Amino acid sequence: QKEVEQNSGPLSVPEGAIASLNCTYSDRVSQSFFWYRQYSGKSPELIMSIYSNGDKEDGRFTAQLNKASQYVSLLIRDSQPSDSATYLCAVPEGFQKLVFGTGTRLLVSP
Amino acid sequence: DTGVSQDPRHKITKRGQNVTFRCDPISEHNRLYWYRQTLGQGPEFLTYFQNEAQLEKSRLLSDRFSAERPKGSFSTLEIQRTEQGDSAMYLCASSFVPGLTNNEQFFGPGTRLTVL
Repeated sequence: QKEVEQNSGPLSVPEGAIASLNCTYSDRVSQSFFWYRQYSGKSPELIMSIYSNGDKEDGRFTAQLNKASQYVSLLIRDSQPSDSATYLCAVPEGFQKLVFGTGTRLLVSP
Repeated sequence: DTGVSQDPRHKITKRGQNVTFRCDPISEHNRLYWYRQTLGQGPEFLTYFQNEAQLEKSRLLSDRFSAERPKGSFSTLEIQRTEQGDSAMYLCASSFVPGLTNNEQFFGPGTRLTVL
Protein backbone atom coordinates (compact mmCIF):
# COMPACT_ATOMS: atom_id res chain seq x y z
CA GLN A 1 0.00 0.00 0.00
CA LYS A 2 1.42 3.31 -1.04
CA GLU A 3 1.90 5.81 1.80
CA VAL A 4 1.62 9.57 1.55
CA GLU A 5 2.84 11.66 4.47
CA GLN A 6 2.00 15.26 5.29
CA ASN A 7 2.47 17.38 8.37
CA SER A 8 -1.02 17.97 9.75
CA GLY A 9 -0.20 21.51 10.90
CA PRO A 10 -1.67 23.95 11.37
CA LEU A 11 0.79 25.99 9.36
CA SER A 12 0.28 29.63 10.26
CA VAL A 13 1.54 32.40 7.96
CA PRO A 14 0.78 36.12 7.80
CA GLU A 15 -1.04 37.59 4.82
CA GLY A 16 1.34 38.24 1.94
CA ALA A 17 3.88 35.61 3.00
CA ILE A 18 4.87 32.42 1.16
CA ALA A 19 3.29 29.24 2.49
CA SER A 20 5.25 26.04 1.90
CA LEU A 21 3.45 22.71 2.11
CA ASN A 22 5.32 19.43 1.90
CA CYS A 23 4.48 15.84 1.04
CA THR A 24 6.53 12.65 0.90
CA TYR A 25 5.47 9.37 -0.66
CA SER A 26 6.68 5.81 -0.38
CA ASP A 27 6.42 4.50 -3.95
CA ARG A 28 9.32 5.21 -6.29
CA VAL A 29 7.33 4.44 -9.44
CA SER A 30 4.72 7.19 -9.00
CA GLN A 31 4.51 9.35 -12.11
CA SER A 32 1.89 11.96 -11.27
CA PHE A 33 1.07 13.99 -8.21
CA PHE A 34 -1.87 16.14 -7.28
CA TRP A 35 -2.65 18.90 -4.80
CA TYR A 36 -6.21 19.43 -3.65
CA ARG A 37 -7.57 22.27 -1.54
CA GLN A 38 -10.39 21.50 0.87
CA TYR A 39 -12.33 24.14 2.74
CA SER A 40 -13.97 23.10 5.98
CA GLY A 41 -17.12 21.10 5.30
CA LYS A 42 -16.54 21.08 1.55
CA SER A 43 -15.15 18.53 -0.91
CA PRO A 44 -11.58 18.51 -2.29
CA GLU A 45 -10.86 20.81 -5.23
CA LEU A 46 -8.00 20.01 -7.62
CA ILE A 47 -5.59 22.95 -7.76
CA MET A 48 -2.33 21.54 -9.17
CA SER A 49 -1.05 18.49 -11.03
CA ILE A 50 2.61 17.76 -11.64
CA TYR A 51 4.19 14.94 -13.61
CA SER A 52 7.85 15.89 -14.19
CA ASN A 53 10.73 16.72 -11.92
CA GLY A 54 11.14 20.42 -11.32
CA ASP A 55 8.71 23.26 -10.84
CA LYS A 56 5.29 23.97 -12.27
CA GLU A 57 3.75 27.39 -11.76
CA ASP A 58 0.08 28.38 -11.98
CA GLY A 59 -0.71 31.86 -10.77
CA ARG A 60 0.27 32.14 -7.11
CA PHE A 61 0.81 28.39 -6.83
CA THR A 62 4.03 26.52 -7.58
CA ALA A 63 4.35 22.76 -7.31
CA GLN A 64 7.84 21.29 -6.94
CA LEU A 65 8.64 17.64 -7.58
CA ASN A 66 11.77 15.69 -6.71
CA LYS A 67 11.26 12.05 -7.63
CA ALA A 68 14.69 10.96 -6.40
CA SER A 69 13.82 12.21 -2.92
CA GLN A 70 10.17 11.14 -3.25
CA TYR A 71 9.10 14.62 -2.28
CA VAL A 72 6.52 17.03 -3.67
CA SER A 73 5.76 20.48 -2.35
CA LEU A 74 3.29 23.30 -2.93
CA LEU A 75 4.26 26.94 -2.55
CA ILE A 76 1.59 29.61 -2.25
CA ARG A 77 2.92 33.11 -2.86
CA ASP A 78 1.27 36.25 -1.50
CA SER A 79 -0.92 34.14 0.79
CA GLN A 80 -4.43 35.45 1.38
CA PRO A 81 -6.88 34.71 4.20
CA SER A 82 -9.03 32.99 1.55
CA ASP A 83 -6.20 30.44 1.14
CA SER A 84 -6.92 29.16 4.66
CA ALA A 85 -7.92 25.55 4.08
CA THR A 86 -6.60 22.01 4.28
CA TYR A 87 -4.25 21.06 1.45
CA LEU A 88 -4.26 17.39 0.46
CA CYS A 89 -1.45 15.68 -1.43
CA ALA A 90 -2.56 12.73 -3.58
CA VAL A 91 -0.60 10.08 -5.46
CA PRO A 92 -2.17 7.54 -7.84
CA GLU A 93 -1.80 3.85 -7.07
CA GLY A 94 -1.35 2.21 -10.41
CA PHE A 95 -3.29 4.37 -12.83
CA GLN A 96 -6.42 4.19 -10.78
CA LYS A 97 -7.30 5.24 -7.27
CA LEU A 98 -5.70 8.14 -5.45
CA VAL A 99 -3.94 7.67 -2.14
CA PHE A 100 -4.22 10.82 -0.04
CA GLY A 101 -2.21 12.20 2.81
CA THR A 102 -4.04 13.41 5.88
CA GLY A 103 -3.66 16.99 4.71
CA THR A 104 -1.98 20.11 6.06
CA ARG A 105 -4.16 22.78 7.56
CA LEU A 106 -3.08 26.27 6.48
CA LEU A 107 -4.09 29.38 8.41
CA VAL A 108 -3.39 32.78 6.82
CA SER A 109 -3.83 35.63 9.25
CA PRO A 110 -4.74 39.17 8.05
CA ASP B 1 -20.33 23.87 -16.74
CA THR B 2 -21.75 20.74 -15.11
CA GLY B 3 -19.36 19.21 -12.64
CA VAL B 4 -19.86 16.09 -10.57
CA SER B 5 -23.14 16.12 -8.66
CA GLN B 6 -24.21 14.04 -5.68
CA ASP B 7 -27.54 13.49 -4.02
CA PRO B 8 -28.49 13.84 -1.24
CA ARG B 9 -26.04 16.29 0.26
CA HIS B 10 -26.92 15.24 3.79
CA LYS B 11 -28.45 12.07 5.18
CA ILE B 12 -29.34 11.32 8.77
CA THR B 13 -30.43 7.78 9.47
CA LYS B 14 -30.87 5.41 12.35
CA ARG B 15 -28.58 2.47 12.92
CA GLY B 16 -29.74 -0.57 11.01
CA GLN B 17 -31.42 1.35 8.18
CA ASN B 18 -30.35 1.14 4.55
CA VAL B 19 -29.23 4.23 2.65
CA THR B 20 -28.51 4.90 -1.02
CA PHE B 21 -26.47 7.71 -2.52
CA ARG B 22 -26.34 8.83 -6.13
CA CYS B 23 -23.48 10.33 -8.14
CA ASP B 24 -23.65 11.90 -11.60
CA PRO B 25 -20.15 12.30 -13.08
CA ILE B 26 -18.93 14.87 -15.58
CA SER B 27 -20.67 13.79 -18.77
CA GLU B 28 -17.68 12.77 -20.89
CA HIS B 29 -15.85 10.99 -18.06
CA ASN B 30 -15.61 7.22 -18.24
CA ARG B 31 -14.25 6.59 -14.76
CA LEU B 32 -16.17 7.07 -11.54
CA TYR B 33 -14.74 6.67 -8.04
CA TRP B 34 -16.21 6.49 -4.57
CA TYR B 35 -14.19 7.63 -1.55
CA ARG B 36 -15.02 8.04 2.13
CA GLN B 37 -13.61 10.75 4.35
CA THR B 38 -13.77 11.06 8.12
CA LEU B 39 -12.76 14.08 10.19
CA GLY B 40 -9.06 14.82 10.11
CA GLN B 41 -8.29 12.23 7.46
CA GLY B 42 -7.77 12.30 3.73
CA PRO B 43 -10.29 10.58 1.48
CA GLU B 44 -10.03 6.77 1.43
CA PHE B 45 -10.72 4.83 -1.74
CA LEU B 46 -13.78 2.56 -1.74
CA THR B 47 -14.37 1.45 -5.32
CA TYR B 48 -14.20 2.57 -8.94
CA PHE B 49 -15.87 1.92 -12.28
CA GLN B 50 -14.66 2.21 -15.82
CA ASN B 51 -17.83 2.67 -17.83
CA GLU B 52 -20.22 0.13 -16.28
CA ALA B 53 -17.56 -2.30 -15.05
CA GLN B 54 -16.60 -2.23 -11.38
CA LEU B 55 -12.85 -2.81 -11.55
CA GLU B 56 -11.69 -2.60 -7.96
CA LYS B 57 -13.12 -2.63 -4.46
CA SER B 58 -11.20 -1.70 -1.34
CA ARG B 59 -10.80 -4.13 1.52
CA LEU B 60 -12.51 -1.37 3.52
CA LEU B 61 -15.70 -2.10 1.61
CA SER B 62 -17.59 -4.64 3.70
CA ASP B 63 -20.35 -6.78 2.22
CA ARG B 64 -22.86 -4.24 3.54
CA PHE B 65 -21.67 -1.85 0.84
CA SER B 66 -22.61 -2.22 -2.79
CA ALA B 67 -22.12 0.07 -5.75
CA GLU B 68 -23.49 0.04 -9.26
CA ARG B 69 -23.10 1.99 -12.46
CA PRO B 70 -25.61 0.20 -14.66
CA LYS B 71 -25.38 2.22 -17.87
CA GLY B 72 -21.95 3.67 -17.44
CA SER B 73 -23.35 7.04 -16.47
CA PHE B 74 -24.58 7.71 -12.92
CA SER B 75 -23.65 5.48 -10.00
CA THR B 76 -25.31 4.49 -6.74
CA LEU B 77 -23.69 3.48 -3.48
CA GLU B 78 -25.87 1.55 -1.05
CA ILE B 79 -25.07 0.83 2.57
CA GLN B 80 -27.19 -1.83 4.22
CA ARG B 81 -27.75 -2.15 7.98
CA THR B 82 -25.90 1.08 8.71
CA GLU B 83 -23.63 1.31 11.74
CA GLN B 84 -22.44 4.37 13.62
CA GLY B 85 -18.97 3.78 12.20
CA ASP B 86 -20.37 4.43 8.72
CA SER B 87 -20.82 8.11 9.59
CA ALA B 88 -18.59 9.99 7.17
CA MET B 89 -18.53 12.14 4.04
CA TYR B 90 -19.01 9.98 0.96
CA LEU B 91 -17.28 11.52 -2.02
CA CYS B 92 -17.67 10.73 -5.68
CA ALA B 93 -15.07 11.68 -8.28
CA SER B 94 -14.79 11.23 -12.01
CA SER B 95 -12.05 11.27 -14.62
CA PHE B 96 -11.39 10.48 -18.26
CA VAL B 97 -8.87 7.77 -19.06
CA PRO B 98 -6.91 7.52 -21.28
CA GLY B 99 -6.27 11.16 -21.66
CA LEU B 100 -3.61 13.78 -21.52
CA THR B 101 -4.15 14.60 -17.87
CA ASN B 102 -2.95 11.42 -16.18
CA ASN B 103 -6.24 10.60 -14.49
CA GLU B 104 -7.01 13.94 -12.85
CA GLN B 105 -10.01 13.27 -10.66
CA PHE B 106 -12.70 15.86 -9.97
CA PHE B 107 -14.84 15.55 -6.89
CA GLY B 108 -18.50 16.19 -6.31
CA PRO B 109 -19.80 18.06 -3.25
CA GLY B 110 -20.14 14.86 -1.22
CA THR B 111 -22.91 13.27 0.82
CA ARG B 112 -22.54 13.65 4.57
CA LEU B 113 -23.96 10.61 6.35
CA THR B 114 -24.81 10.66 10.05
CA VAL B 115 -25.87 7.37 11.63
CA LEU B 116 -27.61 7.82 14.98
